[in-house]
Order: sequence, then structure tokens, then C-alpha cells
Amino acid sequence: QAGLTQPPSVSKGLRQTATLTCTGNSNNVGNQGAAWLQQHQGHPPKLLSYRNNNRPSGISERLSASRSGNTASLTITGLQPEDEADYYCSAWDSSLGVVFGGGTKLTVL
Amino acid sequence: QVQLQESGPGLVKPSQTLSLTCTVSGGSISSGDYYWSWIRQPPGKGLEWIGYIYYSGSTYYNPSLKSRVTISVDTSKNQFSLKLSSVTAADTAVYYCASSISPASMDVWGQGTTVTVSS
Repeated sequence: QAGLTQPPSVSKGLRQTATLTCTGNSNNVGNQGAAWLQQHQGHPPKLLSYRNNNRPSGISERLSASRSGNTASLTITGLQPEDEADYYCSAWDSSLGVVFGGGTKLTVL
Repeated sequence: QVQLQESGPGLVKPSQTLSLTCTVSGGSISSGDYYWSWIRQPPGKGLEWIGYIYYSGSTYYNPSLKSRVTISVDTSKNQFSLKLSSVTAADTAVYYCASSISPASMDVWGQGTTVTVSS
């Protein structure tokens, strides 16, 4: 099944800025945007943003999401140790239903 | 605040049917414009969407699993359920239930339940 494409890993230093990407096509990201989820080891995923840059209540303002064409991005500023986690994007695909990216492991050095 | 809790057998034999239930608390499964979804995560791997049931009762399944999946709702028990038939070792995973106001933006998740397929 075709999913969304994310880089497997990103490493950044403490207090730096990380930008994670998620590439799809015109049937999914390019059409309805993407949502972003964070998952710490052993825990369920947590919704960070939806419909490109809407944050649920309680989500840090250090996180912002955007989209350009078929690529969605999640930017995390002022990286903290607790930001180290796996990040997934998701989108509605007109043919496949809900599709996820393979996930990006963010390491905070 | 809606909370979700998965339940069901942790071990299923190959070729049998996996059956899980998600109990909804803090809200009614039949009220509001919600999607009730199942997602799974094989050990060490990423997330895979299984399907959803809409509050109206309509369903939508992952095309790669569609022939084996049934999602249903029991409004009297405030639960929704997953049945996955003809399981193999490849179906071993943590299974999550989730809810959302749009299909791909799951904002409430259960804690997950581990299902192992083995004889």
C-alpha cells in the first residue's frame, strides 16, 4: 500500500530547530493536508496538529505545521529532551482511506 | 473528555479470528460527528490504519485488509469492535482504537493492546 514518505531519522541539538517532512501526492497531502502525531516509546500516539496547522489544546506553541504542494512539514523550535520521539504524519487519501507515513525518529543531541 | 480502552485476547492462533473491543467512556458513541477507528502497529514498525466506523454506522476499511475486516458498534454498551479473520503471524501488533472528528486526525487514543498470533 502506498503511504506517505518521511525521512527515517533526524538529529538536532538541544534548543535548535527541527523540520520534519512528509511527502504524499495530490490524492492525499496535496488535497486535504496532513496531521502530525508524536509517539514516545511504549505509549500511544498523540495528535500534535491537524489540517496543516491547527493545534489541539495543550500542544506547545513551539510546534507549527505547514504544507507546500504535496509536502507537509512540522517545525519544532527550541528543541527539548522531551521532544525526542517518533513522529508520524497522516492524511486522508481519496483511494486508500487513511494513510500514514513511515515515521521519523527525532533525536535531540 | 472521551477516553477509550481496548480489550480482548492477547493470543490468537493462526487462521482464527482476532476480536477486540473498544469501550468509550466520558461520552456517547452515538452522539456527535465522530469517526471511531482501529489502527495497529507491528513490533518495531510504524502505524497502519485498519478502518473506521462513522457515528452514522457507515464503515471504511483499508483496502489491503478489507476482505478480512469487520468493524461494528454496540450503542447499548457504548463500544465498537474489530474482527480480523484468517490471521497470520503478520497480524501480530499493538492494536489501538481512536476517535476523531475527521478520519485522519485521531485526537483520542486508547492505550493499545498487544495481540500475538501464534500456535
